[in-house]
Amino acid sequence: SQQGEEDPQALSIQEGENATMNCSYKTSINNLQWYRQNSGRGLVHLILIRSNEREKHSGRLRVTLDTSKKSSSLLITASRAADTASYFCATAPSNDYKLSFGAGTTVTVRA
Amino acid sequence: GAGVSQSPRYKVAKRGQDVALRCDPISGHVSLFWYQQALGQGPEFLTYFQNEAQLDKSGLPSDRFFAERPEGSVSTLKIQRTQQEDSAVYLCASSLGRKGKLTDTQYFGPGTRLTVL
Repeated sequence: SQQGEEDPQALSIQEGENATMNCSYKTSINNLQWYRQNSGRGLVHLILIRSNEREKHSGRLRVTLDTSKKSSSLLITASRAADTASYFCATAPSNDYKLSFGAGTTVTVRA
Repeated sequence: GAGVSQSPRYKVAKRGQDVALRCDPISGHVSLFWYQQALGQGPEFLTYFQNEAQLDKSGLPSDRFFAERPEGSVSTLKIQRTQQEDSAVYLCASSLGRKGKLTDTQYFGPGTRLTVL
């Protein structure tokens, strides 16, 4: 079963625009991670945010975490065509190694 | 350094055939995971190794699925008597697995796309 749910399922934006996607989850977590997957490729780790953190930045990525609402958001600023991919959030429950993934958000960046 | 590698990248099997999927983790990584990703879905956990010990196989869908990591590095996922519902991408991931750091970042391989006809 998949704990996380991403929203929206699909997103189409113009190059240069920002892309925002959300993730909701159900149980207490140790951390939440975001991954990117290009078509036919493996998952690339983007960013990890711990349960005691509220916001984290990495390059053009900004992740927020609200543990009271059990939700997270991923913002990609100034999007590029190369950002076209599926984005997954994955949660790691407290004291557990298993990652639970959502179904992903498919982002298409139009040139 | 080299990342996680998997072979073959693509496998087509006739229903009933046995298949073996290989994973080479990042050198020195203690933890190794297998996930199954159905089309349009996120990966789902299958099994977890710490060194050569298979500590969790709760995600394996049936007793036709078997995984091993005999020397604590390379791992093989074997599926016996394949069925059409086994068609999916099988992803392997490894992590440092430091003591007390159960949730180290997992690094994924490119996956093996299995199609069962």
